[in-house]
Amino acid sequence: DVKVTQSSRYLVKRTGEKVFLECVQDMDHENMFWYRQDPGLGLRLIYFSYDVKMKEKGDIPEGYSVSREKKERFSLILESASTNQTSMYLCASGSYFQNQPQHFGDGTRLSIL
Amino acid sequence: QQQVKQSPQSLIVQKGGISIINCAYENTAFDYFPWYQQFPGKGPALLIAIRPDVSEKKEGRFTISFNKSAKQFSLHIMDSQPGDSATYFCAASAVGSGGGADGLTFGKGTHLIIQP
Repeated sequence: DVKVTQSSRYLVKRTGEKVFLECVQDMDHENMFWYRQDPGLGLRLIYFSYDVKMKEKGDIPEGYSVSREKKERFSLILESASTNQTSMYLCASGSYFQNQPQHFGDGTRLSIL
Repeated sequence: QQQVKQSPQSLIVQKGGISIINCAYENTAFDYFPWYQQFPGKGPALLIAIRPDVSEKKEGRFTISFNKSAKQFSLHIMDSQPGDSATYFCAASAVGSGGGADGLTFGKGTHLIIQP
């Protein structure tokens, strides 16, 4: 089975901190994605990457950056955390081809105080 | 990426009944339409997906109906069971600029409750 592992299930940080969310996949997938999930808003794409050191902006990239130094690992960075970034963050991986499923981790619930 | 509109927000169905969730999209470049199922505390998991060259796809009790001209697609769950109680998301994607997969655009979700 595909496994997408997010390093933390729950995280509490303070306003202004630099926050790192880590994600690792074990299926040698080319593509990796970061979404945030908010009640009533569904999932929204923040950033994705289709190769090492490559990144593409999603729908809501403001306030975030990403890093992909190795194929299996994709990090989401909140440069200066703000309270409106309190959310559930979901990482996903998938093959290069569009009609293949994206596999999700179980999420990191991030609270910014 | 443009919006995918999903309805209803919540749905209560009796055990054994048919659950129907609808989605509509605007971006005609979308050509892959998956449905995801999410249980509390878990990430979404792919349930079933369809390409626009077919009008219907069935896997067990789950069926996607697709109407390309209306830019609408729907999920039908036949013989709904209490274990189907979950949040369901429709999604859509287009081929990315590099020729591979692009990110998914999700609907806002439907909270489905199947009453025993």
